[in-house]
Amino acid sequence: EVQLVESGGGLVQPGRSLRLSCTASEFTFGDYAMSWVRQAPGKGLEWVGFIRSKAYGGTTEYAASVKGRFTISRDDSKSIAYLQMNNLKTEDTAVYYCNGGADAETYWGQGTLVTVSS
Amino acid sequence: QSVLTQPPSASGTPGQWVIISCSGGSLNIGSDYVYWYQQLPGTAPRLLIYKNNQRPLGVPDRFSGSKSGTSASLAISGLRSEDEADYYCAAWDASLSAWVFGGGTKLTVL
Repeated sequence: EVQLVESGGGLVQPGRSLRLSCTASEFTFGDYAMSWVRQAPGKGLEWVGFIRSKAYGGTTEYAASVKGRFTISRDDSKSIAYLQMNNLKTEDTAVYYCNGGADAETYWGQGTLVTVSS
Repeated sequence: QSVLTQPPSASGTPGQWVIISCSGGSLNIGSDYVYWYQQLPGTAPRLLIYKNNQRPLGVPDRFSGSKSGTSASLAISGLRSEDEADYYCAAWDASLSAWVFGGGTKLTVL
């Protein structure tokens, strides 16, 4: 069974950094783009960004709200995608989900909560 | 303000047919595929429809998607209590170079 497991969430002060991980199992990780999507408390889904597979250059795209502060990377040897979040703001408080795959074979993690507060 | 527009709520009684709309523009829905997600309370989103009208394995055929121009719809037939959830549409936006979501529709089964 395919599993994506996010980790690294927690409470952090504004202006600080945090790195989230998304570990995949039973999944041909290297073949697929990996995305991050977040959901603020009581709000809808917001796309954060994604990283393409190495076959497509491993390049990244980001939402305007996080561009320049967040960085997505991947380690295909470990089947892990990362979300490095710098200069965090209170409005970044959300559950962060990773997802990967394509079309019918798309999988989501259970999410990890990031709370930005002083 | 979401790039894709969905009604905030919808409702129906068991066995009914419900349609949820998603309106966008020429550079998102009008030029690329639409995806639909179901989010049950307290859980992660689940892919319901991909590429406008395709269902992943395990999604009941009570769920169907369609697209016309810059709008898309999710139809649910034979409504069941377990369909009570939030539903989101999504598409790639070529002008933003970003995935965009609708604001979500909360479906209540009366």
